[in-house]
Amino acid sequence: DVKVTQSSRYLVKRTGEKVFLECVQDMDHENMFWYRQDPGLGLRLIYFSYDVKMKEKGDIPEGYSVSREKKERFSLILESASTNQTSMYLCASNLLWETHTEAFFGQGTRLTVV
Amino acid sequence: AQKITQTQPGMFVQEKEAVTLDCTYDTSDPSYGLFWYKQPSSGEMIFLIYQGSYDQQNATEGRYSLNFQKARKSANLVISASQLGDSAMYFCAMRGVTGGGNKLTFGTGTQLKVEL
Repeated sequence: DVKVTQSSRYLVKRTGEKVFLECVQDMDHENMFWYRQDPGLGLRLIYFSYDVKMKEKGDIPEGYSVSREKKERFSLILESASTNQTSMYLCASNLLWETHTEAFFGQGTRLTVV
Repeated sequence: AQKITQTQPGMFVQEKEAVTLDCTYDTSDPSYGLFWYKQPSSGEMIFLIYQGSYDQQNATEGRYSLNFQKARKSANLVISASQLGDSAMYFCAMRGVTGGGNKLTFGTGTQLKVEL
């Protein structure tokens, strides 16, 4: 069974903390994505990566960074968490060359910054 | 740049009726793919259907079909014979194929409620 696993389902952090959200996939996918989901705003792309050590900015990269040291792992970093980063974060992955195939999603991390 | 627009924040449909969820898109990529996903209240994202920009026929998957009108840049999802279990959030998404087109962009979603 194919899987994208996010390290935490729920997370509560304090303002100013450095926060790491981890995502691991076991499908040997080249592409990995981080989205945040907010009511009325849908899924907004933060960063994505098509290879180890490669990263591309999405539509809302401000306040975030990412790391991809291994093919299967893609980390989202909030350098200094703020309350406006309270959200649901979704990780996804798909194949680089099989562009007709779907993306697979993790279960989501509900982050609350207090 | 690529953009997906879903103009219906919420929709109601009677059980066993058909419903159309709207999706329009914009892209400069000559080749692209369009996807629909379902997100029930449990939060998981479920892939429903795919349409390639060069596909000659509209995609169908069981009760789901995609009404693809390329000239109008629309890719509406049609659900036939609605069931209570179809109540969920539905997202339209697009992926470019050329020019660094690994980006997967989603719309704002449509919340569908199926009523008895």
